[in-house]
Amino acid sequence: EPEVTQTPSHQVTQMGQEVILRCVPISNHLYFYWYRQILGQKVEFLVSFYNNEISEKSEIFDDQFSVERPDGSNFTLKIRSTKLEDSAMYFCASSGSALANSEAFFGQGTRLTVV
Amino acid sequence: DAKTTQPTSMDCAEGRAANLPCNHSTISGNEYVYWYRQIHSQGPQYIIHGLKNNETNEMASLIITEDRKSSTLILPHATLRDTAVYYCIVRQYGNKLVFGAGTILRVKS
Repeated sequence: EPEVTQTPSHQVTQMGQEVILRCVPISNHLYFYWYRQILGQKVEFLVSFYNNEISEKSEIFDDQFSVERPDGSNFTLKIRSTKLEDSAMYFCASSGSALANSEAFFGQGTRLTVV
Repeated sequence: DAKTTQPTSMDCAEGRAANLPCNHSTISGNEYVYWYRQIHSQGPQYIIHGLKNNETNEMASLIITEDRKSSTLILPHATLRDTAVYYCIVRQYGNKLVFGAGTILRVKS
């Protein structure tokens, strides 16, 4: 069964460092998303991406964040200068279309710990 | 996106059907009802979705009321591995999924 894969599963970084979280969406999917979940809190939408452009972003997705699809398979989330409050699980998701009846599938997440 | 209301938690005996309710009284005609679950801190897992007809797949059944203001997710024979947080989400075209607090389902032996 096709799945979304994320690497690394756990990343520890020092405050102020840049991190790149990587995702390989399902191969024929065209819409990509990043979500995050701070420990004990809700899953929050960060950004959606289609046709090499950001479709929508939340207030959380400020100038410290960027997304990229560097090749035909990877989808990355970069945090330029990490803060302690960026510590969270980050989930990548993909869907085949933007239609409301097109389900999105999630990866297993990257646990980011900023120290 | 329409808001959903779910009970905070529910218990279910192993082997019995788990019926998880969701209210979405402000749902509009083009919005779908989605159910996801999250086990521990794993990625949310898609379960099922529907517009107005009842739906069934290998994981669950989704019953949507005729007025579409509420729905019920049914896990026909709950196992301990079904213990998770279950999210009912109303979704429009092109929109992201907006997660609430969900229902904590505890399946007990």
